[in-house]
Amino acid sequence: RKEVEQDPGPFNVPEGATVAFNCTYSNSASQSFFWYRQDCRKEPKLLMSVYSSGNEDGRFTAQLNRASQYISLLIRDSKLSDSATYLCVVTVGAGANNLFFGTGTRLTVIP
Amino acid sequence: DAMVIQNPRYQVTQFGKPVTLSCSQTLNHNVMYWYQQKSSQAPKLLFHYYDKDFNNEADTPDNFQSRRPNTSFCFLDIRSPGLGDAAMYLCATSRDRGTSGIRQTQYFGPGTRLLVL
Repeated sequence: RKEVEQDPGPFNVPEGATVAFNCTYSNSASQSFFWYRQDCRKEPKLLMSVYSSGNEDGRFTAQLNRASQYISLLIRDSKLSDSATYLCVVTVGAGANNLFFGTGTRLTVIP
Repeated sequence: DAMVIQNPRYQVTQFGKPVTLSCSQTLNHNVMYWYQQKSSQAPKLLFHYYDKDFNNEADTPDNFQSRRPNTSFCFLDIRSPGLGDAAMYLCATSRDRGTSGIRQTQYFGPGTRLLVL
């Protein structure tokens, strides 16, 4: 079983739509959670960290559900520039770096 | 601007010909990482340095080596590239490693795309 699983998509949504991605993780000892964005042939860039209480940054909202071991990313009012692959990233273990990436969910926002 | 720099952006090498990819950072971070990413796959961690302490992943082939001569620079050496080593190689840094999410946040360089002929 993979440490981190995501629906690969693709998600094709019209401009202005709201879209949500989920990501599940297998290790209950996971400690830190992130969403990264990766454009085609570019490096991953941190979109936002995910905190237990949930957090919002503009049109983006991230939530963590430890009981069910999933995190979510909600994008409101989608823009064309939101088209990218969204990587769910989870860390496991204290003191060592164990960073696990999901394979990403591909989003295309259509005019 | 503080950043992670990788050179070259594109590298072409021949089957079996050693190649070195370079990474530098101006963030003064303690940890530097090398990842391999193939098309439509998640980045795969090859190894990381915590300061001068080298940490190899168990499944990283011996063909891949790394050097970190100082805080700012880290190199990935592929001793005998095979066709299967063609990929994007990503360098990343983090301030530290630990349990805090902020300290573990990784910042990626633009990557070097390696082509093996």
